[in-house]
Formats: sequence, C-alpha cells, structure tokens
Amino acid sequence: DAGVIQSPRHEVTEMGQEVTLRCKPISGHDYLFWYRQTMMRGLELLIYFNNNVPIDDSGMPEDRFSAKMPNASFSTLKIQPSEPRDSAVYFCASRVGLAGAYEQYFGPGTRLTVT
Amino acid sequence: DQQVKQNSPSLSVQEGRISILNCDYTNSMFDYFLWYKKYPAEGPTFLISISSIKDKNEDGRFTVFLNKSAKHLSLHIVPSQPGDSAVYFCAAFYYKLTFGKGTLLTVNP
Repeated sequence: DAGVIQSPRHEVTEMGQEVTLRCKPISGHDYLFWYRQTMMRGLELLIYFNNNVPIDDSGMPEDRFSAKMPNASFSTLKIQPSEPRDSAVYFCASRVGLAGAYEQYFGPGTRLTVT
Repeated sequence: DQQVKQNSPSLSVQEGRISILNCDYTNSMFDYFLWYKKYPAEGPTFLISISSIKDKNEDGRFTVFLNKSAKHLSLHIVPSQPGDSAVYFCAAFYYKLTFGKGTLLTVNP
C-alpha cells in the first residue's frame, strides 16, 4: 500500500513568492494533519482535518498560511507571501479515526527553503 | 510552554547494550503516549505506544514504561543495534498529538 505522499520533496523559493505544498493521505484515513519541523520548535501541529473539514487551525502561525482539503484524497498547504522564517520541513500525516487508534502515518516531508 | 519534554538531545550507546530514552510531560489530561522513530530525509514512523491505564507495553526489543505519578515515560531498546540509530520522538495524546523535540540515538558497532 502506498503511504502518505507529499510533493514536492524540496522547494526553494524567494521571499514574497507563493508556495503550495501538496499531500495525498492514505486511502481510508479520515484524519489529515499538517506539521512543521524546525530546530527551535521541534515538530508542531499546524492544522488538522476530519472528513475534509478543518477542525483545529490554532497552530497556523499567521494569515499567510492557509490549508484546504477539497476531497478525501488531497490537501494543500499554501504560504503567501513566503518569508525566510518559513524555512522548515513540512510533514503531512493521516490516520483512521478508530477509537484507541491514535497512530499517525507521516509522509516523507517537504523541505522548504525561502531565500 | 512545552508540554512534552525530551531533555536529552542525544544519546550514544554500544551495540548490544540497552538504550533508554526518556520523556516527561506536564499535562495530566494526556491519555495515550507514543514513540516515533525518524531517519534523515524521511517522515517519523510509529514505533510503540501505551495507554495511560497501563504501565508497560512490550514489542520485541522495544518496551515503553509509563509512570503516571511522575508524569514520565521511557523507551527501552534491548539489545541496541546500529540500525536503531535515529531520532526518537515522544508524543502524547489529548484530542491531538503533542511531540517532544526528539533525542538522537547513535548505536556504535
């Protein structure tokens, strides 16, 4: 079975440009999560969806960040305009919402560099 | 304020010996705990978990211990192998997962 798929794997952009990160969750999983990993803050949750509906976006750093999930097999995280401090690895994860099943399955990540 | 803390950024052990990774938490509402392993350029992968109603869970070479009164959990790897060299994240669940910053384990041949 294919795991969580993320694209692109690497993104280098200039400050002020729009960046779009993409994620395809594992089929049948009804929860989708976006995380950001930095040296300073570690792995932090940005937003998560349940059945394509955003549930908690309290981790989104500011209005420059937005996320959508138009269907069960696709989600995007957009940064507009991007800034150098957005440089990080962004992970998408998914899980199935069974009681007691809290394990999330992570994609390989997108390494974003904003110059 | 960090609710899940891994105070050791790194740990080095010899192959065949025991590796003990520690994690402390502050929120008593956490009811499920997980360990993830992460290799460079890959996403974290689930390793082992424990419910707050238990104090030990074992899976092969990996054992997780939970001390609720001390708000402390640990991951034991016995025996350690070079392939275990990775970053290990502790995570705690209360309506969402909160991760520690990770401990880099190096197992030397």
